[in-house]
Amino acid sequence: AQKVTQAQTEISVVEKEDVTLDCVYETRDTTYYLFWYKQPPSGELVFLIRRNSFDEQNEISGRYSWNFQKSTSSFNFTITASQVVDSAVYFCALSEKGNEKLTFGTGTRLTIIP
Amino acid sequence: SAVISQKPSRDICQRGTSLTIQCQVDSQVTMMFWYRQQPGQSLTLIATANQGSEATYESGFVIDKFPISRPNLTFSTLTVSNMSPEDSSIYLCSVALAGGWDEQFFGPGTRLTVL
Repeated sequence: AQKVTQAQTEISVVEKEDVTLDCVYETRDTTYYLFWYKQPPSGELVFLIRRNSFDEQNEISGRYSWNFQKSTSSFNFTITASQVVDSAVYFCALSEKGNEKLTFGTGTRLTIIP
Repeated sequence: SAVISQKPSRDICQRGTSLTIQCQVDSQVTMMFWYRQQPGQSLTLIATANQGSEATYESGFVIDKFPISRPNLTFSTLTVSNMSPEDSSIYLCSVALAGGWDEQFFGPGTRLTVL
């Protein structure tokens, strides 16, 4: 069975600080996808990134970066120079090959203090 | 990409009534999914809706409580039947354009409050 753990329930940082959101996953499959979604107060889910299990290269997109380490089953998300607009709940999710449904972690509520 | 709309965006309902939520996609998709997000909680998959076949429900969800229709490749409905306050949640539909090997696009959600 697949499982995603986001141990950090809530994080608060002062604006312009860097912050890392942790995600640990469990799967028996060797082929899978990992995702990060952002849910701002308005409620919609915003897709941030998809990474397949065969690509361990770290990815950077502007102030966002992701660190995928299969050895520790982790897919952590770092926001550099945080901004108030980054305040949201962030979800990590997993889907296995042949099983299109997403299994979500419990989410991390990030608050950026001006 | 896909643009997804949901109706209604929010509703307040009385206990014992039913509400049907509509999900419309701007392109044809094979698989649509319905998720529930209870207050302060994560998203939980209710069911997978494929056109031309019965929906597949996850453990803990049954067709009598959450009947789903999928009449074509761009539209689906989820009904929340005989509602109780515990059904107060955000209900989201999503689509996968390439059988899951692409990002799933989510609708804006329907915020349901049951009194």
